[in-house]
Amino acid sequence: QLQLQESGPGLVKPSETLSLTCSVSDGSISRSSHYWGWIRQSPGKGLEWIGNIDDSGSKYYNPSLKSRLTISADTSKNQFSLKLISVTAADTAIYYCARQSGVGAADYYDYWGQGTLVTVSS
Amino acid sequence: QSALTQEASVSGTVGQKVTLSCTGNNNNIGSYAVSWYQQISHGAPKAVMFGNSLPSGIPDRFSGSKSGTTVSLTISGLQPEDEAVYYCSTWDYSLSAQVFGGGTKLTVL
Repeated sequence: QLQLQESGPGLVKPSETLSLTCSVSDGSISRSSHYWGWIRQSPGKGLEWIGNIDDSGSKYYNPSLKSRLTISADTSKNQFSLKLISVTAADTAIYYCARQSGVGAADYYDYWGQGTLVTVSS
Repeated sequence: QSALTQEASVSGTVGQKVTLSCTGNNNNIGSYAVSWYQQISHGAPKAVMFGNSLPSGIPDRFSGSKSGTTVSLTISGLQPEDEAVYYCSTWDYSLSAQVFGGGTKLTVL
C-alpha cells in the first residue's frame, strides 16, 4: 500500500521560505504515470490546490502561487518537495501531499499524506 | 470565492438518501470529470468518487451523476460514518488550475 508522509518545519517566520518534503514508500515516483501534488487547507477553510509534478518532471502550479512556488522531485530518494518563498500569515495551513491518478478521462487524488500544519508567525 | 459551488450543509437520517451538488461552468465541470473527497473530522481527504466510478473500498451506496455543469453525489442508505465534509474537484482550463468546491458538511441525524 502506497504511503506518503510530509515533513518539514511547523513554524516559519513571515517573509521566509516554507519548505516541505513528501516521502513516498511502497511505490516509485518515477516511471509511474502519476502526478505528485500538494494541496493545502487553511484553518477552518476548504482545500486549495498548490501544484503537481509528473514523473517526467513537468510542473503545474496554481497561478495564484506560481510566482512564489517551486515543486521539485528527487527520484533517488523517492521524494518530492515544495518551496514557497516570502510567506505571510495567509500561508498558514495544513499541507497535504498526494498522488493523482488518471483512470480513463477522470483524474483524482487516490493517496494522501496525513498532512502537516505549518504556521507562519514571528 | 470557489470556482465550484456546493451547499454549505446537508443533513439526513440514518438509512435516508441524500444528494450533494456541485455547480461549475463550461470551463470546468462542463469539460472535465469531477472527483469527490470525504474529509472526516479534519483528517486527510479520501476520494469517494471519480467521474462515475468508485475507488476501491468505497461502498456502492455512493453514486454520482452529471447534468451539464452540475454534478451530484448521492449517498443511499446513509450511515453515521458518512458524516463528514465533502468536496468536489476538477480541472479548470480558464484558470489553469485544479479547483475545489467550498465543501458541504453532511450531518447524519
